Amino acid sequence: GDSVTQMEGPVTLSEEAFLTINCTYTATGYPSLFWYVQYPGEGLQLLLKATKADDKGSNKGFEATYRKETTSFHLEKGSVQVSDSAVYFCALSDHRNYGQNFVFGPGTRLSVLP
Amino acid sequence: NAGVTQTPKFRVLKTGQSMTLLCAQDMNHEYMYWYRQDPGMGLRLIHYSVGEGTTAKGEVPDGYNVSRLKKQNFLLGLESAAPSQTSVYFCASRPGLASADTQYFGPGTRLTVL
Repeated sequence: GDSVTQMEGPVTLSEEAFLTINCTYTATGYPSLFWYVQYPGEGLQLLLKATKADDKGSNKGFEATYRKETTSFHLEKGSVQVSDSAVYFCALSDHRNYGQNFVFGPGTRLSVLP
Repeated sequence: NAGVTQTPKFRVLKTGQSMTLLCAQDMNHEYMYWYRQDPGMGLRLIHYSVGEGTTAKGEVPDGYNVSRLKKQNFLLGLESAAPSQTSVYFCASRPGLASADTQYFGPGTRLTVL
């Protein structure tokens, strides 16, 4: 079945450092890809998404490009802030699996130090 | 616009007690989901609903029951709580099943079973 793999972390960076969180997926169809963010004590929020190959999703300085050839959707940010400390989830959605068609990765905890 | 709300936010139960978690959404979404989140295991789907009056099992349904009597509400019940059900529970809703449709999450319910 479909699956998502991401680096589990934790990842610890200094403020203004460059961030990359790797995400790769396995899917037999043509899924949409998502990054969700979970701040401490809160639910998941959509950070960005991409719906087809070579699409780039972006939001709040974060970017991720849908790479079909490498089945990847790596999250990047050029300069992280303390406020970016959170858990980041990569996910895919495939319209073929009726109802339960969202698959989440295990999450990557990011800590940004001042 | 409240989005997805969950009641209660916290609860402590003794083994064998029962309780119901309430999820409500005001976005007129057809699809609703219950997940549990455990350390190191990401999100696991418990049950989901594709419309009023319908429910279906997800990845980890044992020990839980659900009902969707009204489109805006999705209830998760524990008939006889066990310590293994200690977790954070998230409800989510989604407008449709197109792969690009985003899931919207509630803030979560932290449940401890002693």
